[in-house]
Amino acid sequence: AQRVTQPEKLLSVFKGAPVELKCNYSYSGSPELFWYVQYSRQRLQLLLRHISRESIKGFTADLNKGETSFHLKKPFAQEEDSAMYYCALRMNTGFQKLVFGTGTRLLVSP
Amino acid sequence: KAGVTQTPRYLIKTRGQQVTLSCSPISGHRSVSWYQQTPGQGLQFLFEYFSETQRNKGNFPGRFSGRQFSNSRSEMNVSTLELGDSALYLCASSLTRAEAAQYFGPGTRLLVL
Repeated sequence: AQRVTQPEKLLSVFKGAPVELKCNYSYSGSPELFWYVQYSRQRLQLLLRHISRESIKGFTADLNKGETSFHLKKPFAQEEDSAMYYCALRMNTGFQKLVFGTGTRLLVSP
Repeated sequence: KAGVTQTPRYLIKTRGQQVTLSCSPISGHRSVSWYQQTPGQGLQFLFEYFSETQRNKGNFPGRFSGRQFSNSRSEMNVSTLELGDSALYLCASSLTRAEAAQYFGPGTRLLVL
């Protein structure tokens, strides 16, 4: 069965510090991986996807198939990055089902 | 462009009753998926609809059902409500099935007493 693991429930850092939110997955095929973010009192929204290899709001994530990881990184955290972050897996394109991790709350203090 | 809308936003029901939740996707989006979010289980996939057809269903009992209309609006129904059905129900829309869920609605918070 597919599984996404986010080992940290809470990650607390100071403004300007580097951030790494961990995500590991288990799936025997070639998955698509995503990061979703939910800011306080806002909707869940797609942050980035591994296929795009993009940087959004300074965040990047690289799919490491060997380690089955898709960690989210940002070199210098900002207070506005404080939010709930979910890692999600999709088994293949055209298959809408997403398997979500339990989420990590990022708290950036001034 | 209006976002994904869900109605009602809040609902209180008692055990044994049934409930219908509605989701209107972004205009032009044809794929709608539903998720249940609870503190214990997190976000869990319920259904996926595209072109009025259920394409995939998550591991939920038959009490959970849904449908999609020709205008892509979707409804989900839960019959014989149980206390454990209390949750936030989210729907998401995307233009095609190839795109992963990009836009989520605000959710319907269901409380079963």
